[in-house]
Amino acid sequence: GQQVMQIPQYQHVQEGEDFTTYCNSSTTLSNIQWYKQRPGGHPVFLIQLVKSGEVKKQKRLTFQFGEAKKNSSLHITATQTTDVGTYFCATGNDMRFGAGTRLTVKP
Amino acid sequence: DGGITQSPKYLFRKEGQNVTLSCEQNLNHDAMYWYRQDPGQGLRLIYYSQIVNDFQKGDIAEGYSVSREKKESFPLTVTSAQKNPTAFYLCASKGRRGQETQYFGPGTRLLVL
Repeated sequence: GQQVMQIPQYQHVQEGEDFTTYCNSSTTLSNIQWYKQRPGGHPVFLIQLVKSGEVKKQKRLTFQFGEAKKNSSLHITATQTTDVGTYFCATGNDMRFGAGTRLTVKP
Repeated sequence: DGGITQSPKYLFRKEGQNVTLSCEQNLNHDAMYWYRQDPGQGLRLIYYSQIVNDFQKGDIAEGYSVSREKKESFPLTVTSAQKNPTAFYLCASKGRRGQETQYFGPGTRLLVL
C-alpha cells in the first residue's frame, strides 16, 4: 500500500501562533485525508483532498494537496487551546496513516 | 462519529489467552479496518476488509486474526502469538467511492497482564 511520511512529529506553539503539518509520499496519491485525534479519543475525519493543487478551508484550517499529488499540508492560523491533539494524514484504499503530528498549545 | 461500536472499552486478559475484540457498524459500509495504537504513537494497520468474506493483511498482522462473515461485523482476535498485545485498538469503516470518509469506533484498550 501507499505510505506517507508526516512531519514534524511534535509541535509546541504559543496560543495565537500558526501551525503547519506536512505529509509526503514518494508516489502519486489518489487522494489524501486528514484526521484529528484529541488526547484519549479516536481519530475524527476532517477533510479529503482529491484534485491536484486543491485547497480547502475550514475556518482557521487550510488544507492543500500538491500539484504532483505527492504531498499535502494542514495549516492552522492563530492556534487556540482547542486545537490541541494529534493530526494525521491517511491515504489509499487500505487507509494507511502517517505517524501524526502532536500539537500542544500554551495559553 | 456514530454508527460504529466497539466493546468493551477496556479489556483485561492474562498472558497466553486469546481475546476477541468486537466491531459492529450500521453505516452499510463495505470496507472495515483494524488499527493498533501504542501510547504516543500513530495508527498501524493490522487487517482490512473491503467486502464480505475477504480481508487483507496490513503492516502488523502477525499474531492477529480476523473474519468478515457479515457486512456489519469485523471481529479481531488477538492470539497468544502476539508478543506485546497491550495497546489501544481502533476499528474503522469506510463507504464506497464518493463516500470515503472513514469513521472510527471509540476503541478498546487491551491490557494483558
